[in-house]
Amino acid sequence: EVQLVESGGGLVQPGGSLRLSCAASGFTFSNYWLSWVRQTPGKGLEWVANIKQDGSAKYYVDSVKGRFTISRDNAKNSLYLQMNSLRVEDTAVYYCARGNAFEIWGQGTMATVSS
Amino acid sequence: DIQMTQSPSSLSASVGDRVTLTCRASQGISNYLAWFQQKPGKAPKALIYAASSLQSGVPSKFSGSGSGTDFTLTISCLQPEDFATYYCQQYNAYPLTFGQGTKVEI
Repeated sequence: EVQLVESGGGLVQPGGSLRLSCAASGFTFSNYWLSWVRQTPGKGLEWVANIKQDGSAKYYVDSVKGRFTISRDNAKNSLYLQMNSLRVEDTAVYYCARGNAFEIWGQGTMATVSS
Repeated sequence: DIQMTQSPSSLSASVGDRVTLTCRASQGISNYLAWFQQKPGKAPKALIYAASSLQSGVPSKFSGSGSGTDFTLTISCLQPEDFATYYCQQYNAYPLTFGQGTKVEI
């Protein structure tokens, strides 16, 4: 079964850090672009970042540039999002998704930034 | 950034209805458009890619059309499980962007 499973969310104070992980199974991980997409409570969807199959290219939405870093480990079939200097407005459910048309999604992990 | 505008923001429909949702891009995106369905508390589910291609396992009652700036998602013969929020998304240019969603309710 093709599957993405996120973990690493939690409660953190403004200015703090979190590292999200996404474990993939059921497909050849190294063949695909991968993305992080977030959804604020009760609101819409926002693409955050994506990474090329071999990690040689990475793109970010402006609001997270310089604070978030996307990475992957193809040997471990895993995608990561290091989130630093977190702000209240980063509070969201974070999903990992496969491809640029997001054909497969994980179940999401909640990151809450609050004092 | 390419802005994606969906209309209507919500619509009321009945079981058995045929509904058409619209998505407009602020500039041309060729056919680099996807559609998603999301139910409360769940992750989005991919329905359509490349504007009109059905994702694997998605029933044929869902269909997409359009190119350039104007796109539609049509759901024929609405069933109770189809009541959800639908999002469009462009992947022609960075940043990748979503529409604000159309809620289909009874």
